[in-house]
Amino acid sequence: DAGITQSPRYKITETGRQVTLMCHQTWSHSYMFWYRQDLGHGLRLIYYSAAADITDKGEVPDGYVVSRSKTENFPLTLESATRSQTSVYFCASSETNGLNQPQHFGDGTRLSIL
Amino acid sequence: QKEVEQNSGPLSVPEGAIASLNCTYSGRGSQSFFWYRQYSGKSPELIMSIYSNGDKEDGRFTAQLNKASQYVSLLIRDSQPSDSATYLCAVKGPTGGGNKLTFGTGTQLKVEL
Repeated sequence: DAGITQSPRYKITETGRQVTLMCHQTWSHSYMFWYRQDLGHGLRLIYYSAAADITDKGEVPDGYVVSRSKTENFPLTLESATRSQTSVYFCASSETNGLNQPQHFGDGTRLSIL
Repeated sequence: QKEVEQNSGPLSVPEGAIASLNCTYSGRGSQSFFWYRQYSGKSPELIMSIYSNGDKEDGRFTAQLNKASQYVSLLIRDSQPSDSATYLCAVKGPTGGGNKLTFGTGTQLKVEL
């Protein structure tokens, strides 16, 4: 049971570059989420998706782009990376977004932007 | 005021003791509550969920919810060194576009030998 996998696990890039973080889940969950985790801020929602081709902004969407052409994949792209986007990024999924449905997290991508 | 507040800690307890982790939240209405454990450098892992007032027990873990006072707590009995981690409280409630999961910044727990 692979669950939810993220790649790469670590990434170093330079300001201005485009970088894409991948997320793949094998549970056939409808909902997928992208969070960033920074010291002092906790987990903050960047974007989420309710189904293929349906995405919506979260709390901190600026500078990020997402797509969801297939249910199992939800890539996150930083179109022109900035140092403030240095963070740990977590992808999560849930079967539905019902009140009692928990979210399950991937292992994360540690992104450093120099 | 933050929506979900936790004391950052660290909370230090001796091995075998009860660790008590607390979380307060704002907002009322239909909400559900989750506790995640996060080891250093790892991802959050769901350990408990609670939806109704009262206590919910699962092994060494007990979640307690008091909606009137707007707090939720996690008790860990017989604490072990392997319980040393950051514990994230999360509250899920309706917003204009659906349900939103809001996390606290976490409490670091250290279980000492």
